[in-house]
Amino acid sequence: DTAVSQTPKYLVTQMGNDKSIKCEQNLGHDTMYWYKQDSKKFLKIMFSYNNKELIINETVPNRFSPKSPDKAHLNLHINSLELGDSAVYFCASSHRGGWNTEAFFGQGTRLTVV
Amino acid sequence: TQLLEQSPQFLSIQEGENLTVYCNSSSVFSSLQWYRQEPGEGPVLLVTVVTGGEVKKLKRLTFQFGDARKDSSLHITAAQTGDTGLYLCAGVDSNYQLIWGAGTKLIIKP
Repeated sequence: DTAVSQTPKYLVTQMGNDKSIKCEQNLGHDTMYWYKQDSKKFLKIMFSYNNKELIINETVPNRFSPKSPDKAHLNLHINSLELGDSAVYFCASSHRGGWNTEAFFGQGTRLTVV
Repeated sequence: TQLLEQSPQFLSIQEGENLTVYCNSSSVFSSLQWYRQEPGEGPVLLVTVVTGGEVKKLKRLTFQFGDARKDSSLHITAAQTGDTGLYLCAGVDSNYQLIWGAGTKLIIKP
């Protein structure tokens, strides 16, 4: 069983389109995250949700809108895609709190905007 | 803004050599984690160090947390081709948020 699964794994789309990436975790964690990893491999947090509530919203264009229908799901919707949005997007989950806040990652979604 | 700086950013060595990767910050962390990321996959936790001065060993990998809990190092002895990957450090801050380093891309040549 996959602990954190995100779909699709690859996404190629044209500029201006709207797309969604889905994420589900079956670990019983209360916190979920979206990260963006660019071509230089920097891992930057975009959003963090705890028990379906947004707790971190880094400086991300408002074209990006996360939605958490329940604790096990955190989807990412992107409007009006731009070339600079091309990157690998990772969903992750963890228990919140404590020094042992281990993040479990999905396999990533490679988004290419053409 | 808390930052974790990793060095070197890129390292390519021959199989059998030793190497050390560093993770430095001006901030104190509750703990520090090391992750390894293989191509096409998400990062996977290798180890968490908690106490200042702590040393943990995972086979040929040795992890150390600085006395002041601001820095850490990863030393690999007799590197193997299977060690190839992206190594990321992440500090857990006082709000239990993960602060990530940029990563060290390691290539071990046969």
